[in-house]
Amino acid sequence: DIQMTQSPSSLSASVGDRVTITCRASQGISNYLAWFQQKPGKAPKSLIYAASSLQSGVPSKFSGSGSGTDFTLTISSLQPEDFATYYCQQYNSYPWTFGQGTKVEIK
Amino acid sequence: QVQLQESGPGLVKPSETLSLTCTVSGGSVSSGSYYWSWIRQPPGKGLEWIGYIYYSGSTNYNPSLKSRVTISVDTSKNQFSLKLSSVTAADTAVYYCAGGLGYWGQGTLVTVSS
Repeated sequence: DIQMTQSPSSLSASVGDRVTITCRASQGISNYLAWFQQKPGKAPKSLIYAASSLQSGVPSKFSGSGSGTDFTLTISSLQPEDFATYYCQQYNSYPWTFGQGTKVEIK
Repeated sequence: QVQLQESGPGLVKPSETLSLTCTVSGGSVSSGSYYWSWIRQPPGKGLEWIGYIYYSGSTNYNPSLKSRVTISVDTSKNQFSLKLSSVTAADTAVYYCAGGLGYWGQGTLVTVSS
């Protein structure tokens, strides 16, 4: 299985901050990477697919980059509604696997 | 806009079979647009992909669960289903159905307990 490792596991940030979350794959996955946002008690929401393509309706403050083994999710200006847990997922190889999550909290 | 809704028992006894159904609206399980997946999340933990079924009927399962999992599709009802046999407390989780990467159901909590 491909292991997906996110860093950090949690972070504290202020409204307006620029936040970057990293996801590393244990082997190359080309650009077959997705990012999800999950709020407590809710289903994950798809933000980005193919490493850098924004899902329809997702604000442009979210952006993704990377290819191969190293990927990033950036939130350009953190807003109150962005405090959540973020997951990366690879869909290059079976089984599809998720990172352990990064919890973004209010400082 | 594709919408998905999980349904099924919220409580299953150990050693029995967990059965869930996902009803799709706004899209067709018969189209080739999406892989129809099941994902689960134990309380307080991360996400685990269980498997998917494609419109052709082909399936792909997580090897960690493969011996116990069956995913099937009912095109007449526009639904797909999950069966997980011989459950234990470790199978207690919120179970989500999803269409592709973009569309998720709200999730349903299944507790395995006697």
